[in-house]
Amino acid sequence: AQSVTQLDSQVPVFEEAPVELRCNYSSSVSVYLFWYVQYPNQGLQLLLKYLSGSTLVKGINGFEAEFNKSQTSFHLRKPSVHISDTAEYFCAVTRTDGVGNQFYFGTGTSLTVIP
Amino acid sequence: NAGVTQTPKFQVLKTGQSMTLQCAQDMNHNSMYWYRQDPGMGLRLIYYSASEGTTDKGEVPNGYNVSRLNKREFSLRLESAAPSQTSVYFCASSADRYNQPQHFGDGTRLSIL
Repeated sequence: AQSVTQLDSQVPVFEEAPVELRCNYSSSVSVYLFWYVQYPNQGLQLLLKYLSGSTLVKGINGFEAEFNKSQTSFHLRKPSVHISDTAEYFCAVTRTDGVGNQFYFGTGTSLTVIP
Repeated sequence: NAGVTQTPKFQVLKTGQSMTLQCAQDMNHNSMYWYRQDPGMGLRLIYYSASEGTTDKGEVPNGYNVSRLNKREFSLRLESAAPSQTSVYFCASSADRYNQPQHFGDGTRLSIL
């Protein structure tokens, strides 16, 4: 089975500072990786995804993530955060072979940007 | 540009009442999903439907039933609501390729007293 661990439940950061949100996964098979963002009272929106190719993936709103297969990690980064980045962030995985047709989500990291 | 639409947005029930949460998508997606979101627990899959006419249990199916009415609609039913089912429920859909991301509705906030 697949599982996702988001190591930090809450991350406070000052405006214009860099941020890293950590995600580690466990799987006996190859996986695709995703980061989603959830603003208050809304559903999840896709930030970025890693399917194959370059391990550095760029997404919307200036976010990027790096896939590290040896460390089974997919950490999300942004060099300079804005107030509007305050939200809940979820890491997710799904099997590359499509078996089970399921996505597995982490428990989320609440990012608070402090003015 | 509706995407995934969930109704209702809010609902309060008494223990033992029944209710159906509705979900519809207009993206011609084959796969649809129901999740519940609880504080500190992320999203947990209740049921999913890989295509019209098929449904499968997810991680937390007990106390729920689903119906894939057609390709567009996927409903979630609570037959006898319990306080433990107080949660935010999200419907999602995705294209039939498994590397395609899921598109989410805005959620239904359900309180059971």
